[in-house]
Amino acid sequence: EAQVTQNPRYLITVTGKKLTVTCSQNMNHEYMSWYRQDPGLGLRQIYYSMNVEVTDKGDVPEGYKVSRKEKRNFPLILESPSPNQTSLYFCASSPRWREQFFGPGTRLTVL
Amino acid sequence: QKEVEQDPGPLSVPEGAIVSLNCTYSNSAFQYFMWYRQYSRKGPELLMYTYSSGNKEDGRFTAQVDKSSKYISLFIRDSQPSDSATYLCAISGQGGSEKLVFGKGTKLTVNP
Repeated sequence: EAQVTQNPRYLITVTGKKLTVTCSQNMNHEYMSWYRQDPGLGLRQIYYSMNVEVTDKGDVPEGYKVSRKEKRNFPLILESPSPNQTSLYFCASSPRWREQFFGPGTRLTVL
Repeated sequence: QKEVEQDPGPLSVPEGAIVSLNCTYSNSAFQYFMWYRQYSRKGPELLMYTYSSGNKEDGRFTAQVDKSSKYISLFIRDSQPSDSATYLCAISGQGGSEKLVFGKGTKLTVNP
């Protein structure tokens, strides 16, 4: 089944404790991206990647890191999470930049 | 002015009603127009995709683009309770690397 998977789906952590949210797609897509979704603010892009080893900042990159060492994986790293990073996070992949396929989401709470 | 504006609703209609969801945008360079549907606790899923102006129909759903007014619409005919979700418009330019710009979404409830 073609899909984007994210892990974990739910995470509660404390301020300053490094964490990684994994994202994997099995559709051989070149483009991958990370979004956060907050009430009243909608979907905002954090980082995107157009291919292996090619990443760039989206609209709200502060406090986040990404890497793209393999085509299928695009992990999101929070080196020192803070409460304002409490959000619902989505990974997406696409064959072209437009028609993005989203993962199921990761609900992160930073205390 | 925001790139994409979408009325967040919420919108509540009876089963069988025709639903109209709308977005306006500011950049005339946008060429690709999409509608995503997001059920509660799920990721958005692509519903419809159109290029440039005109209409596109898929079953009970019709996407309409009016580039002269910078206005896009999604119509749902014979709405069903299973259509209850948040609908997000998304727009992109013509370049191969241009990102999607999303509206904030309209929450729709179809009451049986």
